[in-house]
Amino acid sequence: KQEVTQIPAALSVPEGENLVLNCSFTDSAIYNLQWFRQDPGKGLTSLLLIQSSQREQTSGRLNASLDKSSGRSTLYIAASQPGDSATYLCAVSGSARQLTFGSGTQLTVLP
Amino acid sequence: DGGITQSPKYLFRKEGQNVTLSCEQNLNHDAMYWYRQDPGQGLRLIYYSQIVNDFQKGDIAEGYSVSREKKESFPLTVTSAQKNPTAFYLCASSSATDTQYFGPGTRLTVL
Repeated sequence: KQEVTQIPAALSVPEGENLVLNCSFTDSAIYNLQWFRQDPGKGLTSLLLIQSSQREQTSGRLNASLDKSSGRSTLYIAASQPGDSATYLCAVSGSARQLTFGSGTQLTVLP
Repeated sequence: DGGITQSPKYLFRKEGQNVTLSCEQNLNHDAMYWYRQDPGQGLRLIYYSQIVNDFQKGDIAEGYSVSREKKESFPLTVTSAQKNPTAFYLCASSSATDTQYFGPGTRLTVL
């Protein structure tokens, strides 16, 4: 059964710092990997989707990488801002397209 | 204005009661999903539907039921058989691009 782990569980950084969030998964037979953002009490917003054949995706200040063979992905956030404060969730999709989620990293960016 | 709506935002259930959570989408997506989120945890899949009149159990389907009579709608019923239903429930939909789009969620509390 697929398991997804996110480290660290919580992270606090000063504004302007570059940071990396980590995600690992146990079964490398994935269809794609997605990073989501969740604000308190809200639904999820999709940030980036990486297909299994891709190595990375970029959107603005966000860059996500995927190393399927080692079961790892990273989300890089450049020049962090207080508005980036949220919980970031990683999820992997199997052949039936269901998502298996990690527990998330709660990010706080201090002004 | 396209998107996914969930209602109600807050729901209270008495012991032994069945309650139904609504999920509607106007994105013309074939696939729809229901997830449960407990505090400090990632999302767990309850049920999913790839097409109208068909649905499959996810990882934690016991005590829940669904129907998919229309493409736009995927209601979730939390039955009295679900012993610990207090949680945040999220509905999502996806198209062939696989990115899942989430609704704002329903917070269910058992009194």
